[in-house]
Amino acid sequence: AQKITQTQPGMFVQEKEAVTLDCTYDTSDPSYGLFWYKQPSSGEMIFLIYQGSYDQQNATEGRYSLNFQKARKSANLVISASQLGDSAMYFCAMREGINFGNEKLTFGTGTRLTIIP
Amino acid sequence: DAMVIQNPRYQVTQFGKPVTLSCSQTLNHNVMYWYQQKSSQAPKLLFHYYDKDFNNEADTPDNFQSRRPNTSFCFLDIRSPGLGDAAMYLCATSAQPGTGKASGGYEQYFGPGTRLTVT
Repeated sequence: AQKITQTQPGMFVQEKEAVTLDCTYDTSDPSYGLFWYKQPSSGEMIFLIYQGSYDQQNATEGRYSLNFQKARKSANLVISASQLGDSAMYFCAMREGINFGNEKLTFGTGTRLTIIP
Repeated sequence: DAMVIQNPRYQVTQFGKPVTLSCSQTLNHNVMYWYQQKSSQAPKLLFHYYDKDFNNEADTPDNFQSRRPNTSFCFLDIRSPGLGDAAMYLCATSAQPGTGKASGGYEQYFGPGTRLTVT
């Protein structure tokens, strides 16, 4: 079974609109972390936002927020007021466990976001 | 300020000719990772170092080796590259968990990648 599922291979959004990128995950570990990364065409993976499984509030970082619904095992990324520079591939990733030896990130297949002027 | 540096950015090698990719970091992070990312796919972890402890993924081919001579540097050696090894190779680092950051120090910082072409 897929541990991270991103069901939207591609999305087109008008500039200045908000966009939600979907991510669902599967784990039996009570301690885990969820991450979103942005990968522009240049190739570098850029860390955007993190949500820990025990965090009570949804994470926010500037225009990025994470809509964490633990019971539904979803961790959707919301980008407010989209900009042309937001056009990129977006990956959701999970780390299971928070102890030494559990450093591995499992990535989803990504969503290619294109912002239309 | 570059934090994770990969050299070269583009590498062309011949089928079967050994190649080494390098990664350096200025973050003083304990953990360093090598990922392989093929076109339109998610990054796939090859191996990682926790300090000097090497952790190989079960499905990483023996053709791929790694060295970490010190905290700052890590190398990926491909002993006999095949056409199927053409990919982007990403190096990443992370701090020891529990650094007190909001993210718990778990996020990985990636370099710009080395795009490997095998002819």
